[in-house]
Amino acid sequence: RKEVEQDPGPFNVPEGATVAFNCTYSNSASQSFFWYRQDCRKEPKLLMSVYSSGNEDGRFTAQLNRASQYISLLIRDSKLSDSATYLCVVNMGVKDALNFGKGTSLLVTP
Amino acid sequence: GAVVSQHPSWVICKSGTSVKIECRSLDFQATTMFWYRQFPKQSLMLMATSNEGSKATYEQGVEKDKFLINHASLTLSTLTVTSAHPEDSSFYICSARVLAGGYNEQFFGPGTRLTVL
Repeated sequence: RKEVEQDPGPFNVPEGATVAFNCTYSNSASQSFFWYRQDCRKEPKLLMSVYSSGNEDGRFTAQLNRASQYISLLIRDSKLSDSATYLCVVNMGVKDALNFGKGTSLLVTP
Repeated sequence: GAVVSQHPSWVICKSGTSVKIECRSLDFQATTMFWYRQFPKQSLMLMATSNEGSKATYEQGVEKDKFLINHASLTLSTLTVTSAHPEDSSFYICSARVLAGGYNEQFFGPGTRLTVL
């Protein structure tokens, strides 16, 4: 079983739509959780950290359910510029590398 | 945020040659840098953890004699792909970790696209 699993998509949505991505992780001892965004042929960039209480940054909302080992990302009012691959990332501890999911591809169409 | 650079951004080489990729933290010191590899439509896979002044720690299945890592200073780590073959063609990305007061974030370089003919 892979450590971080995501639905690869692609998700094709019209502008203005709301879209949700899910992710599960296998190691219950994981400590930190993130969503990264990766554009085609570019390096990943941190979108937001994910906290147990849930957190929101503009149109983006992240949720963490430790009991179910489940992380979600909600994007409201999708923009064309949101088209990218969204990577679910889990970290065991501050001294460890990041574990990446394969990513979920999003295409926002006019 | 902190800036990490990589050089070169892309390289094409013949099979059997060696290629060196540099990863630099430009405005901070990084005791730990990570090297990842990403094949098309795949996730980033950690290759090795590079610690300044000590030997790198390689992930299972990554040949340490083929992928030589040197972290000689707090701002520079290098990855050398020795005797490269077409199957080594990939996107190589480094990251540098910032640790401060429990805050832990990794900053990624822009990546190096290696094509071996």
